[in-house]
Amino acid sequence: QVQLQESGPGLLKPSQTLSLTCTVSGASIRSGYFYWTWIRQPAGKTLEWIGRIYVSETTNYNPSLKSRVTISVDTSKNQFSLKLISVTASDTAVYYCARSRGYDPENWGQGTLVTVSS
Amino acid sequence: DIQMTQSPSSLSASVGDRVTITCRASQDISNYLAWFQQKPGKAPKSLIYAASSLQSGAPSKFSGTGSGTDFTLTISSLQPEDFATYYCQQYKIYPPTFGPGTKVDIK
Repeated sequence: QVQLQESGPGLLKPSQTLSLTCTVSGASIRSGYFYWTWIRQPAGKTLEWIGRIYVSETTNYNPSLKSRVTISVDTSKNQFSLKLISVTASDTAVYYCARSRGYDPENWGQGTLVTVSS
Repeated sequence: DIQMTQSPSSLSASVGDRVTITCRASQDISNYLAWFQQKPGKAPKSLIYAASSLQSGAPSKFSGTGSGTDFTLTISSLQPEDFATYYCQQYKIYPPTFGPGTKVDIK
């Protein structure tokens, strides 16, 4: 059974870079077939799809974040990562990693809270 | 972006009730719709994909219908573990977008 676990700093200052890693167990990113996705949720609000990556390193990003986002994959560690530059308070949210066959997530990590505050 | 709306925004129901939640898309999305359940402080869980297909591991008390712009999620007999917020997501038109959620609580 696939499990996903987010990790990374929980507190950032404005203008810094958010870097999160998702460690996958119970499934191999290298095997293909699935996309590996990042989604976020500000407190009390709905979910926002950030982007996804395939094992071939093909990526798709939400146009609203595309200029600031990079998603990468490390198949040797069975991990994929999110980088978001120039963060502001509006980037404060719980960040989830997920596995998807398409754009709809099937399996989710537990989420990690990232707070941007000076 | 496609706008997703859900109604009601919240509802109160009793154990054993049949509950229906509606999701509407601002454009035709065919059957490219998913439903998720989220409990406070927890990650969402996937329930339905392709509007009416039950996700592996999701209980059969959940069912989805609809196509085009109007969709419904039905819980056949509400149980204590079903009190949560439910979100729809369209994935026909890029970027994928989620509805604002429907909170189901205890009457």
